[in-house]
Amino acid sequence: GNSVTQMEGPVTLSEEAFLTINCTYTATGYPSLFWYVQYPGEGLQLLLKATKADDKGSNKGFEATYRKETTSFHLEKGSVQVSDSAVYFCALSNYGSSNTGKLIFGQGTTLQVKP
Amino acid sequence: DTAVSQTPKYLVTQMGNDKSIKCEQNLGHDTMYWYKQDSKKFLKIMFSYNNKELIINETVPNRFSPKSPDKAHLNLHINSLELGDSAVYFCASAHAEGATYEQYFGPGTRLTVT
Repeated sequence: GNSVTQMEGPVTLSEEAFLTINCTYTATGYPSLFWYVQYPGEGLQLLLKATKADDKGSNKGFEATYRKETTSFHLEKGSVQVSDSAVYFCALSNYGSSNTGKLIFGQGTTLQVKP
Repeated sequence: DTAVSQTPKYLVTQMGNDKSIKCEQNLGHDTMYWYKQDSKKFLKIMFSYNNKELIINETVPNRFSPKSPDKAHLNLHINSLELGDSAVYFCASAHAEGATYEQYFGPGTRLTVT
């Protein structure tokens, strides 16, 4: 079946530190991969996506590269800010004969950035 | 303009009651979803509709009944509420870019069953 595994949180960093949140997946076929962010008390926002192997998604200084050989989609940012404090979700959507677009989420990783 | 809206934002009710959550999207998307987020923030798909037709039902108890009067609306009705139904429910809508569906989420409805 399809599944997504993220690194356990919470992750606590100082402002301007380098961020990596690991994400690996299990899927048949050719999934699309996503990172969503949930700020406190809000819904999910799409942060970035990649739809095929070796694609790099990027947005707001965040990047993630679709690595089919390691079935990974790790999220990185070179210099985090206090405003990046949120819960980050890795997700996949699997194309198939009955593509419904449903998202399968990892468990979420809470990021706290301290000034 | 709000792309995906949900009402109410908060819902507190007692066990055994019946309640509804409404969702509307103004993005012109054909596909809408309901997700449940539990107390540990884990998100799971519940239902999906495409052009008013049910396409996903993820073994959700039949106390939960989605209804889509048109492709811009997907409502969720819950009968005989139980304590375990307490969660945040998110509505989402999506358009397809090739084989990829990019989903836009509503702000969520926090349901508390006492």
